[in-house]
Amino acid sequence: GQSLEQPSEVTAVEGAIVQINCTYQTSGFYGLSWYQQHDGGAPTFLSYNALDGLEETGRFSSFLSRSDSYGYLLLQELQMKDSASYFCAVRTTSGTYKYIFGTGTRLKVLA
Amino acid sequence: GAVVSQHPSWVICKSGTSVKIECRSLDFQATTMFWYRQFPKQSLMLMATSNEGSKATYEQGVEKDKFLINHASLTLSTLTVTSAHPEDSSFYICSAAPGGSGNQPQHFGDGTRLSIL
Repeated sequence: GQSLEQPSEVTAVEGAIVQINCTYQTSGFYGLSWYQQHDGGAPTFLSYNALDGLEETGRFSSFLSRSDSYGYLLLQELQMKDSASYFCAVRTTSGTYKYIFGTGTRLKVLA
Repeated sequence: GAVVSQHPSWVICKSGTSVKIECRSLDFQATTMFWYRQFPKQSLMLMATSNEGSKATYEQGVEKDKFLINHASLTLSTLTVTSAHPEDSSFYICSAAPGGSGNQPQHFGDGTRLSIL
């Protein structure tokens, strides 16, 4: 089967740095995406890695190691508004392309 | 940026009713759109891949006759929940990506919260 595992919950304080890990096992792999979802809202795109290495987008960075089937999202200078659920997603190549989502990590930022 | 519009945002209806949800790509053409379902505090579960001009591809365990998908144009896909029952109550979200090869990240509609009484 296909699976993407993430920690269920992470707690940190404002201004801190937090890393959310994602390990995946999929039939085919094309790229790893990260999405943020606030309660009651739809997911919004944060970052995408097709190749190994680090991608930086403002306060958010994402890393991928295809040989380890592993990636992470790094959030710096945490703000209260970053409290949300974060999902990794793999674009698979089996048949027509599609996206499989991880279990999700709920981030709580404390004042 | 790519914008995906989903309508309606909230539906409350009686058991046995059929409900249609629309997903539109506003500023790009989408040969492929995706429909997800999400229960509270859970992840997004892919229900089906909607392909313009052809039949949708359903994930294992998703009833084709229950969740009808139509992708009649490059900017519109619809999901119809037929004869809805309380267990169909959920948050339904569509997504699409510019281009047809999947090289662009997908963008999500705002979702439809469906409540069946």
